[in-house]
Amino acid sequence: ELKVEQNPLFLSMQEGKNYTIYCNYSTTSDRLYWYRQDPGKSLESLFVLLSNGAVKQEGRLMASLDTKARLSTLHITAAVHDLSATYFCAVDLGTSYGKLTFGQGTILTVHP
Amino acid sequence: NAGVTQTPKFQVLKTGQSMTLQCAQDMNHEYMSWYRQDPGMGLRLIHYSVGAGITDQGEVPNGYNVSRSTTEDFPLRLLSAAPSQTSVYFCASSYSVTLNTEAFFGQGTRLTVV
Repeated sequence: ELKVEQNPLFLSMQEGKNYTIYCNYSTTSDRLYWYRQDPGKSLESLFVLLSNGAVKQEGRLMASLDTKARLSTLHITAAVHDLSATYFCAVDLGTSYGKLTFGQGTILTVHP
Repeated sequence: NAGVTQTPKFQVLKTGQSMTLQCAQDMNHEYMSWYRQDPGMGLRLIHYSVGAGITDQGEVPNGYNVSRSTTEDFPLRLLSAAPSQTSVYFCASSYSVTLNTEAFFGQGTRLTVV
């Protein structure tokens, strides 16, 4: 059974600081996704990571994937208030298309 | 471009009632799925479909039925609602994973069973 664990689950940051959210998963996979969810809203796709060593960046967010360590990271650089949201990682085993297993989510709050 | 459309957005049911949550996508995606979101548990897969006429169970299928008669539509049926089914439900669709695309989510249906 695939398990996906994120940490931390709650993250309170000051504006301008850097931090990293970790996503560990239990079964070999080379397909990992990061989503953002604002309160009461749907999930918005941030990154699609499809191979070992994949790194993608968008604005102040950068995601990476290490399939050997079964670990993905979402790094936040110089946080701003607009980044406050819940962030989810999700893993697709690849043999079962469309079957995503999600982490618990990390609730990020950025303070002035 | 509508994307993934879910209806209704909000619903209150009494225990034992049945209802259907609607999901439609206009992107010609092969894969569609239903998830439920509960606090602290992320999203959990209820049922999914890899194409019209083909469905399969996910992690938490009990109490739910699905069918996929067309590519566009993937309704989720609650047979006899229970308070444990109070949740936010999301429908998602995607192309074949081999085309390297992510899943797109609908706006969600917030269901309360009293």
